[in-house]
Amino acid sequence: KNEVEQSPQNLTAQEGEFITINCSYSVGISALHWLQQHPGGGIVSLFMLSSGKKKHGRLIATINIQEKHSSLHITASHPRDSAVYICASNFGNEKLTFGTGTRLTIIP
Amino acid sequence: DAGITQSPRHKVTETGTPVTLRCHQTENHRYMYWYRQDPGHGLRLIHYSYGVKDTDKGEVSDGYSVSRSKTEDFLLTLESATSSQTSVYFCATTMRTQHRELFFGEGSRLTVL
Repeated sequence: KNEVEQSPQNLTAQEGEFITINCSYSVGISALHWLQQHPGGGIVSLFMLSSGKKKHGRLIATINIQEKHSSLHITASHPRDSAVYICASNFGNEKLTFGTGTRLTIIP
Repeated sequence: DAGITQSPRHKVTETGTPVTLRCHQTENHRYMYWYRQDPGHGLRLIHYSYGVKDTDKGEVSDGYSVSRSKTEDFLLTLESATSSQTSVYFCATTMRTQHRELFFGEGSRLTVL
């Protein structure tokens, strides 16, 4: 059974800081997703990756298949980045396993 | 924005009553999912559909049924709601498989008294 663990559960940082959120999974996967859940509850997809690194604006996602680990980085963090960040993995079937999320708060 | 709408967005009901949540998409996505989100848990899959009239169970399917008679609509039914089904329910869609970007609805908050 695949398990997904995120760390930290909660993270508070000052505006401008470099942020790292970690995601570990227990078995080999075919893809890993990073999602963002806004305070209002809506969920949006940030990245889907199966190897290497992806970048979108100030967000960078990396994955190390051998170590079964992925990281989400935010450069020059801003209060509008405050949200819950969720990683999810799948084995190549139709079912994702989700982490419980990292609550990020950026203080101005 | 993949044009996914859920209804109702908020509902309060009593134990034992039937409840149906609707997910409507305008993107012609083949795959549709229903998840529930509870404190301390990640999103958990209830049921999913891989085409019209093609559905399968997820990890927490007990007490729920689904139907998909049209590509654009995926209905989640609680035949007899219980307090343990108080949750926020999310619908999600993707064009092909889980290897593609997921699109989520806004969520439906259900309270069973």
